[in-house]
Amino acid sequence: AQSVTQLGSHVSVSEGALVLLRCNYSSSVPPYLFWYVQYPNQGLQLLLKYTSAATLVKGINGFEAEFKKSETSFHLTKPSAHMSDAAEYFCAVSVDTGNQFYFGTGTSLTVIP
Amino acid sequence: NAGVTQTPKFQVLKTGQSMTLQCAQDMNHNSMYWYRQDPGMGLRLIYYSASEGTTDKGEVPNGYNVSRLNKREFSLRLESAAPSQTSVYFCASSPRARTSGMADTQYFGPGTRLTVL
Repeated sequence: AQSVTQLGSHVSVSEGALVLLRCNYSSSVPPYLFWYVQYPNQGLQLLLKYTSAATLVKGINGFEAEFKKSETSFHLTKPSAHMSDAAEYFCAVSVDTGNQFYFGTGTSLTVIP
Repeated sequence: NAGVTQTPKFQVLKTGQSMTLQCAQDMNHNSMYWYRQDPGMGLRLIYYSASEGTTDKGEVPNGYNVSRLNKREFSLRLESAAPSQTSVYFCASSPRARTSGMADTQYFGPGTRLTVL
């Protein structure tokens, strides 16, 4: 069975500070991993995805994530937070044996001016 | 190119009423999905359709039915609404066909906020 754990339901950072959002997964087979962002009253948008190519994945808006198999982690980072980064972030896992995605419970990011 | 559209945006029902949530995509995608989003629970898959004419249960299918009307449209029906079905419902689609063997990006609609009194 697949599952995703996002540590920290709320994260606050100062504008210009490092953003680190944590995601750990469990999967019995090599997974595909995704980060999505949800702005208030909107649907989810893809930030980046890992599909077994490079372990460091770059996404939109300056975000990146590193796949670490030994730690079963796929943490999302951004060197310098911007006010526009305030949103809810979801980590998701999928495997190639089915169409099902499993989402984490989300992390709400607040950026303090 | 509108992407994934959902109607209605908001709906209030009384317990026992029925309704259908509509979803359409104009990206020629093969797979479509219905999720519900509840506070502290993330997104949970209700049903999905890997191709036109097929549907499968997800994690939380009880109380729901779906129809893949054609390649573009995937509707979700609540036959007898219950307060536990108060939620935000998202439709999504992905290019993936059943046998592609790859996990695709999913593209989400704006959501339907449903309240059952």
